[in-house]
Amino acid sequence: KQEVTQIPAALSVPEGENLVLNCSFTDSAIYNLQWFRQDPGKGLTSLLLIQSSQREQTSGRLNASLDKSSGRSTLYIAASQPGDSATYLCADYSGGGADGLTFGKGTHLIIQP
Amino acid sequence: GAVVSQHPSRVICKSGTSVKIECRSLDFQATTMFWYRQFPKQSLMLMATSNEGSKATYEQGVEKDKFLINHASLTLSTLTVTSAHPEDSSFYICSARRGGAPYEQYFGPGTRLTVT
Repeated sequence: KQEVTQIPAALSVPEGENLVLNCSFTDSAIYNLQWFRQDPGKGLTSLLLIQSSQREQTSGRLNASLDKSSGRSTLYIAASQPGDSATYLCADYSGGGADGLTFGKGTHLIIQP
Repeated sequence: GAVVSQHPSRVICKSGTSVKIECRSLDFQATTMFWYRQFPKQSLMLMATSNEGSKATYEQGVEKDKFLINHASLTLSTLTVTSAHPEDSSFYICSARRGGAPYEQYFGPGTRLTVT
């Protein structure tokens, strides 16, 4: 059974810093991997989706990479802002027709003004 | 595009009653919809998968007679929590997916259920 782990569980950094969030998964046979943002008490906002054939995806200040062979993905946030404060979740899709996403527990990020 | 709505956003009900939560894909047809549950400070856990016109597939440990799922059309799925108990209090989130690659899931805003 797939397991997804996110490190660190929490992170607090000053505004303006670049930072990296880590995600690892036990089964490398994934179809795609998604990064989400969740604000307190809210649903999920999709940030980036990386298909298994891709190495990275970029959107604005966000860059996500995928290394299937090592079972790892990273989310890089450049020039962090207080508005980036949220919980960041990674989740993988294994490709089965009835399969949902397997989520990590998230990284709770606080950007200090 | 790819907007998913949920209704209601919050519901408080008494123990023993049933609650229905709706999930709609507003601007696309969703061949598959998923229901997840999130307990405080925990991640999302998949409860069940539903395809339009078919019976839902439930994850191990999820009671299908307690959590009734209906996917009557390509834009609507409902989750009914029957005979709710306080331990069913949670954040329920649905997602919807088009057919075909890249199989991206689009999530609704969630429903906070509190059973008193």
